[in-house]
Amino acid sequence: AQTVTQSQPEMSVQEAETVTLSCTYDTSESDYYLFWYKQPPSRQMILVIRQEAYKQQNATENRFSVNFQKAAKSFSLKISDSQLGDAAMYFCAYRSTYGGSQGNLIFGKGTKLSVKP
Amino acid sequence: KAGVTQTPRYLIKTRGQQVTLSCSPISGHRSVSWYQQTPGQGLQFLFEYFSETQRNKGNFPGRFSGRQFSNSRSEMNVSTLELGDSALYLCASSLDLYTGELFFGEGSRLTVL
Repeated sequence: AQTVTQSQPEMSVQEAETVTLSCTYDTSESDYYLFWYKQPPSRQMILVIRQEAYKQQNATENRFSVNFQKAAKSFSLKISDSQLGDAAMYFCAYRSTYGGSQGNLIFGKGTKLSVKP
Repeated sequence: KAGVTQTPRYLIKTRGQQVTLSCSPISGHRSVSWYQQTPGQGLQFLFEYFSETQRNKGNFPGRFSGRQFSNSRSEMNVSTLELGDSALYLCASSLDLYTGELFFGEGSRLTVL
């Protein structure tokens, strides 16, 4: 079974600085999706960025980028120029692309990010 | 395009009662899945529906059930409520079972007294 581990329960960053959130996962599959989701205090889970395992190029979305290391099974999220609105819980998630029964998201425990003005 | 809509947003029940939660997916999305979120257990997968059929189920007791209608709307039901069922229930939709990301609703906050 696949697992996702986020080893940093809480992190803090100064506004305008850069922060990196860590995520490792375990799988025997060769093709899958990885995601970072953000859940602000208002609760709605929002997709931040996605990575397809077969793509070697790291995904980037504006101030958000990932460092995807497939062999190491590592998927970190870098937030540049941090803003107050980035404060939230961040979840790393895995989704299989294989046919079969397991197409659901597998989440890490989350990292609570605080942004200091 | 409207997002995923969940109703009700908040509800309070007592032990032994049952509850039904509703989810309307994004238009065109055929897969709907449900997750339970609690401070202790985090986000746990309940079940996933596609074309009115349950395709995938998490490790929850039979008190938790769901269904999907022909318009892709989904409901989940919890019978004989227990205190431990208090949680945020999140619905998510996606185009299909294995492609791309899931889009989440705001959730239904269930409190069991």
